[in-house]
Amino acid sequence: TQLLEQSPQFLSIQEGENLTVYCNSSSVFSSLQWYRQEPGEGPVLLVTVVTGGEVKKLKRLTFQFGDARKDSSLHITAAQPGDTGLYLCAGESYDKVIFGPGTSLSVIP
Amino acid sequence: NAGVTQTPKFRILKIGQSMTLQCTQDMNHNYMYWYRQDPGMGLKLIYYSVGAGITDKGEVPNGYNVSRSTTEDFPLRLELAAPSQTSVYFCASSYIEGATFGSGTRLTVV
Repeated sequence: TQLLEQSPQFLSIQEGENLTVYCNSSSVFSSLQWYRQEPGEGPVLLVTVVTGGEVKKLKRLTFQFGDARKDSSLHITAAQPGDTGLYLCAGESYDKVIFGPGTSLSVIP
Repeated sequence: NAGVTQTPKFRILKIGQSMTLQCTQDMNHNYMYWYRQDPGMGLKLIYYSVGAGITDKGEVPNGYNVSRSTTEDFPLRLELAAPSQTSVYFCASSYIEGATFGSGTRLTVV
């Protein structure tokens, strides 16, 4: 059974602070995706990482795929209230895409 | 483009009733997925499809059935609804990297 774990589960920070969210598994994935979900809406894709060691940047967000393609991290620089939401990682393996439990981020003005 | 459209948005079922959650996409994506999300939790994969005529079980398939007769449509059938099936259901489609999600169906079984 493939499982994805995320840490921390909850994170509350002040505007302007930096933070890192982690996504870990014992399984190897062909790609790993990060989504952001707001209450009452479906998840929205932020990025997909495919190659081990790959780093992608999306404005203030930096995503990294582990060398062994079992883990990933999301780093947010100078967090803003608009970054508040549920951050979900998802791993793709043999056509299945499974999700981690999510990290709920609250950025306080 | 409409993207992924789910209907209905809300539904209340009585225990033992059946219903079909509709999902259609207009992006010509081969891959489609059904997930359920319980309060404060991540998404659990119910069923997925890699193309018309092909479906496979995900993590939590019991109590559900799907069909994929066309590329566009991927309905999810609930037979004999149970309170444990109270959840928000999301349909998604993808082509190569990353999925597009519908806005969800909030289902309550009483």
